[in-house]
Amino acid sequence: ETGVTQTPRHLVMGMTNKKSLKCEQHLGHNAMYWYKQSAKKPLELMFVYSLEERVENNSVPSRFSPECPNSSHLFLHLHTLQPEDSALYLCASSQARGRAYNEQFFGPGTRLTVL
Amino acid sequence: QKEVEQDPGPLSVPEGAIVSLNCTYSNSAFQYFMWYRQYSRKGPELLMYTYSSGNKEDGRFTAQVDKSSKYISLFIRDSQPSDSATYLCAMSVIGGGADGLTFGKGTHLIIQP
Repeated sequence: ETGVTQTPRHLVMGMTNKKSLKCEQHLGHNAMYWYKQSAKKPLELMFVYSLEERVENNSVPSRFSPECPNSSHLFLHLHTLQPEDSALYLCASSQARGRAYNEQFFGPGTRLTVL
Repeated sequence: QKEVEQDPGPLSVPEGAIVSLNCTYSNSAFQYFMWYRQYSRKGPELLMYTYSSGNKEDGRFTAQVDKSSKYISLFIRDSQPSDSATYLCAMSVIGGGADGLTFGKGTHLIIQP
């Protein structure tokens, strides 16, 4: 595997389900990000982990819960979601130093549909 | 007023044409400017990365930043059908913090063969 991988690629869940999205980066980076991409909206930054510590929580509802067990893996735990949470969820990684923060490498995303 | 404005298109041009994609922004503290390309069913990939004002060229692509006007552009010369994608501008205030990037909505570009 190379780059940033995400699983699953597609997920359909009911409002009462609990599911998790997984991201893995094979680039030796130490900062990881979750973004939400909805139709006709800009990418929205959700969470940032730098050196395995959460450094940004962009006013995301508590039904989204991130977890970063090490610098290569990032999870997004989902529970009691709403239909408006349906979107493409993108994971990204970068080096956690200087201008390299801006050179973010994205995974292919998980297309989430909440029924 | 949104922080970053970008016309979503679609923008359709014939193969070989010069394409101009643009973004305007309101936060004068932005210093780092990026263009990402996103193909259908894929994540965005970094195309160009510029700091402050000026031009940067890479092959058929030229990125231009005018901080006085708060306006950035991406030019594509000799456009090819494989350039058909959504182009996202992104910017950040500083390069030394994990503050993430502020994106435009993206412009959907179609190059007609």
